[in-house]
Amino acid sequence: AQKITQTQPGMFVQEKEAVTLDCTYDTSDPSYGLFWYKQPSSGEMIFLIYQGSYDQQNATEGRYSLNFQKARKSANLVISASQLGDSAMYFCAMRPLGDKLIFGTGTRLQVFP
Amino acid sequence: DTAVSQTPKYLVTQMGNDKSIKCEQNLGHDTMYWYKQDSKKFLKIMFSYNNKELIINETVPNRFSPKSPDKAHLNLHINSLELGDSAVYFCASSQRQGHEQYFGPGTRLTVT
Repeated sequence: AQKITQTQPGMFVQEKEAVTLDCTYDTSDPSYGLFWYKQPSSGEMIFLIYQGSYDQQNATEGRYSLNFQKARKSANLVISASQLGDSAMYFCAMRPLGDKLIFGTGTRLQVFP
Repeated sequence: DTAVSQTPKYLVTQMGNDKSIKCEQNLGHDTMYWYKQDSKKFLKIMFSYNNKELIINETVPNRFSPKSPDKAHLNLHINSLELGDSAVYFCASSQRQGHEQYFGPGTRLTVT
């Protein structure tokens, strides 16, 4: 079965600290993509970062990095130097063969001063 | 210069009515999608079109009918609306073999 699991319904982090949001996935497809999206309270879905299953290096985009451990089937998002504006829902998603995105249930991150 | 736009942003209607949501993308992408986000924030694919051709239909009731007049537009028509159709509907687009999908702002549908 193709599935994304996010086990942290909510996380708290202090401003300027780093935080890791967990994501594990399950697929038997040899090629797949892993994504993280941010959904602030305003509701839009914002693409953050992508990791291909054959990429050797972990993806990074500014303060976001994806800790990809293929053998463990995990794709954790690391946000460095958290900001108040990072408070939002974060969704991990997988694109197996077939082009659709399969989403996890999300993690609500709250950044406090 | 909005990349993926949806109209309307909010839609309140009564059970049994028929309604449409429109989506347009100006990114030149070949593939467009409809997702449904329920009250628990869970997002699920409904449909995917590539160059006006339906390629994904995820066990959605046939009251939902997508229509793609051209590759820049993907509309969603819903017949005989039910209470359980209340959700946020997101349109998205991507290159056929591309990586990320770009989402529209969402349409919050409330059925009373």
